Amino acid sequence: EIVMTQSPATLSASPGERATLSCRASQSVRNNLGWYQQKPGQAPRLLMYGASTRAAGVPARFSGSGSGTEFTLTISSLQSEDFAVYYCQNYDHWPLTFGGGTKVEIK
Amino acid sequence: QVQLVESGGGVVHPGRSLRLSCAASEFTFSGYAMHWVRQAPGKGLEWVAVIWHDGSNKYYADSVKGRFTISRDNSNNMVYLQMNSLRVEDTAVYYCARDIIYASGTLDVWGKGTAVTVSS
Repeated sequence: EIVMTQSPATLSASPGERATLSCRASQSVRNNLGWYQQKPGQAPRLLMYGASTRAAGVPARFSGSGSGTEFTLTISSLQSEDFAVYYCQNYDHWPLTFGGGTKVEIK
Repeated sequence: QVQLVESGGGVVHPGRSLRLSCAASEFTFSGYAMHWVRQAPGKGLEWVAVIWHDGSNKYYADSVKGRFTISRDNSNNMVYLQMNSLRVEDTAVYYCARDIIYASGTLDVWGKGTAVTVSS
């Protein structure tokens, strides 16, 4: 099973700031990496797939990069609605695995 | 709009069974693989199972293999999760999710979830 490790666990930032979230895979997942956003009491929402392709309706301030074992999700300018938990996900190998999440909170 | 609605959750004793249902609407259900993903209270996401669009293939997480069974009814746009021999650690919100294409593993539509509590 591929283990996904996210850092930091919590990121404190102010609206308007840039946020950089990291995700590392225990072995290569090529570019078969997704990012999901989850707000309290809600289901996860697909943000990114193929490591860098935004899902439908996702604002351009979200961008993804990386391949192999190292990935990054960047939010260029945090908006109030972006404060949430973000999960990366391997879909290169079964079983699908998620990282432990990064909580982006208001500083 | 495209929608998934889960049902069947509840409180159950350890060792008992429960069947979750997920009703799909506003898309061609028979063309998509479907997944179950769960989230224990205060924890992260854990993938549970997938079923191919035609039911021809199924995969499970090791934590549920041999106890849970995923199935689907394409004529009624439903996917199910039969959960047997339930354990306290199966307590979670269970989400039904659609695969964006084939069985890629990218989950583009999610239901709101149904809560399962396993407790004596």
